[in-house]
Amino acid sequence: SQTIHQWPATLVQPVGSPLSLECTVEGTSNPNLYWYRQAAGRGLQLLFYSVGIGQISSEVPQNLSASRPQDRQFILSSKKLLLSDSGFYLCAWGPFVPGELFFGEGSRLTVL
Amino acid sequence: QQQVKQSPQSLIVQKGGISIINCAYENTAFDYFPWYQQFPGKGPALLIAIRPDVSEKKEGRFTISFNKSAKQFSLHIMDSQPGDSATYFCAAGRDDKIIFGKGTRLHILP
Repeated sequence: SQTIHQWPATLVQPVGSPLSLECTVEGTSNPNLYWYRQAAGRGLQLLFYSVGIGQISSEVPQNLSASRPQDRQFILSSKKLLLSDSGFYLCAWGPFVPGELFFGEGSRLTVL
Repeated sequence: QQQVKQSPQSLIVQKGGISIINCAYENTAFDYFPWYQQFPGKGPALLIAIRPDVSEKKEGRFTISFNKSAKQFSLHIMDSQPGDSATYFCAAGRDDKIIFGKGTRLHILP
């Protein structure tokens, strides 16, 4: 069976510090991988998606970046965090069927 | 630009009642329309989905109604139960990209 792991689950970072969130998928190969951010009142905002190693599509211009160094690994990074980067970050993979994404447990980031 | 508009933002329904959440989309290129359910502290999970060539899809107490000409679709939860209390997201997708609405916080009164 397929599983998705996302870490860390919670982190508190000062403004201007770097960020690295990691996501790995097990039990499948060549999945599409996604990073979403969930902020209060803004729903699920698509940040990046990847259809293969080294292939990253960015949906929102900002100080975040994503990388896919391995087939089942997706990393979200920032060199300098902003207050507005606070939120609940969700990694997802899919789909077996169109529209079906499987989400991780999320990483809650608070920037102070 | 908000490609998927969802309403209402929050909804309170009596146990046994019908919960209705509406969504509208702009891009006619979207070709699948899923609904996701999210409980606090968890990632969303697929609830039900529909293709635009179908006007209605029912799975248990959950039904999607789809109006292609109006570019609208809705989720109906029949016989709503307290366990249905969650945040619901509509979404629209094409190829590899899936765009979500802002979500509806549903609370079912016991």
